[in-house]
Amino acid sequence: GAVVSQHPSRVICKSGTSVKIECRSLDFQATTMFWYRQFPKQSLMLMATSNEGSKATYEQGVEKDKFLINHASLTLSTLTVTSAHPEDSSFYICSARDTLQSANYGYTFGSGTRLTVV
Amino acid sequence: DQQVKQNSPSLSVQEGRISILNCDYTNSMFDYFLWYKKYPAEGPTFLISISSIKDKNEDGRFTVFLNKSAKHLSLHIVPSQPGDSAVYFCAAVYSGGGADGLTFGKGTHLIIQP
Repeated sequence: GAVVSQHPSRVICKSGTSVKIECRSLDFQATTMFWYRQFPKQSLMLMATSNEGSKATYEQGVEKDKFLINHASLTLSTLTVTSAHPEDSSFYICSARDTLQSANYGYTFGSGTRLTVV
Repeated sequence: DQQVKQNSPSLSVQEGRISILNCDYTNSMFDYFLWYKKYPAEGPTFLISISSIKDKNEDGRFTVFLNKSAKHLSLHIVPSQPGDSAVYFCAAVYSGGGADGLTFGKGTHLIIQP
């Protein structure tokens, strides 16, 4: 089945620095990838939709200049948290859609990245 | 405004009995629904899904029921096993919206007691 690899699984960074998270579709091509964020005991909130070769679409309330998304190829999307602050500490999860899959509507999730800003 | 609601933050069920997890939605455009199982610090794992043209889908111990008129779906797990203990998320999408992300509920923490 479709596999989505997300790295790193956890990262600790100092306040003010930037952190890059990678999301790769390993055995399929994804023109669209999604980035979610989950706070403790909360829902997974869609942050943005990453489109290969074009600009990402951000959900309302998500700062595009803070959360930079690049989708340069059909198998790789990156999320960069710029000038991170402690309130950005969260669990970030990416998802890619394999349109050839039907059971899960093609949505496959990465294993997530725990970001802690100190 | 929460478009997908899971009103039970937690549910405790005895091993071997049936677990019933509920989910309500408000957006009538949603036409595909999915259930995910999730452990802390891991990505969600797909369990089962249902299209709005159906009212039931079954896969092994998991059955999802959809009541479109009530905008309600439920996940039944029978028999419940200790390994089923996890947080379960209901998610919905409008398939005609192009490449849309999923809208998730807040999750229900299922605890299977021996």
